[in-house]
Amino acid sequence: GQQLNQSPQSMFIQEGEDVSMNCTSSSIFNTWLWYKQDPGEGPVLLIALYKAGELTSNGRLTAQFGITRKDSFLNISASIPSDVGIYFCAGPPSGNTPLVFGKGTRLSVIA
Amino acid sequence: DSGVTQTPKHLITATGQRVTLRCSPRSGDLSVYWYQQSLDQGLQFLIQYYNGEERAKGNILERFSAQQFPDLHSELNLSSLELGDSALYFCASSESGAPYNEQFFGPGTRLTVL
Repeated sequence: GQQLNQSPQSMFIQEGEDVSMNCTSSSIFNTWLWYKQDPGEGPVLLIALYKAGELTSNGRLTAQFGITRKDSFLNISASIPSDVGIYFCAGPPSGNTPLVFGKGTRLSVIA
Repeated sequence: DSGVTQTPKHLITATGQRVTLRCSPRSGDLSVYWYQQSLDQGLQFLIQYYNGEERAKGNILERFSAQQFPDLHSELNLSSLELGDSALYFCASSESGAPYNEQFFGPGTRLTVL
């Protein structure tokens, strides 16, 4: 089935550093969603993107919908310890199909 | 707190057994989604119900079934359990049936099959 490839799989960064992660697909997506999962919790939606080229921010988080519609990027600026968790990209492969999730990027922040 | 509740939080059972996981969606949400999360497979969509009717089906095994009741709560039934069924099971809900609408996830049920 449809797969989303996320990279990196995991990253260790110092508090205060900026973080970049991305998500790619072999086919076009019309919606990109970024979720964060804290340990022991369910995923929480961070940012939703609906248009190619769209750049959307949510506090220190910024996500972009790639112009090819086959990728998306998430940046976190000035990381803090509570940014620790797993970040998932997701999207419906076509307009009305269920969400497909990437396998996640596990972020660790060293104080 | 997403407003989605799931019970139980943890479940430990033996192979061959049957269990039922329960989910109550956020107030006003008509859609319920079930996902399975295992270490090597990430989040896998199982099934969606919208206002009591099955709306979409993913890679759900025949041993698994679900339903949504008139009060909109949902149950996921897992039978003839195997070791490989051990995973986190999440329920999510959304206002409408469209998959690109924001889904709110519950805290999950951790199933361990021994």
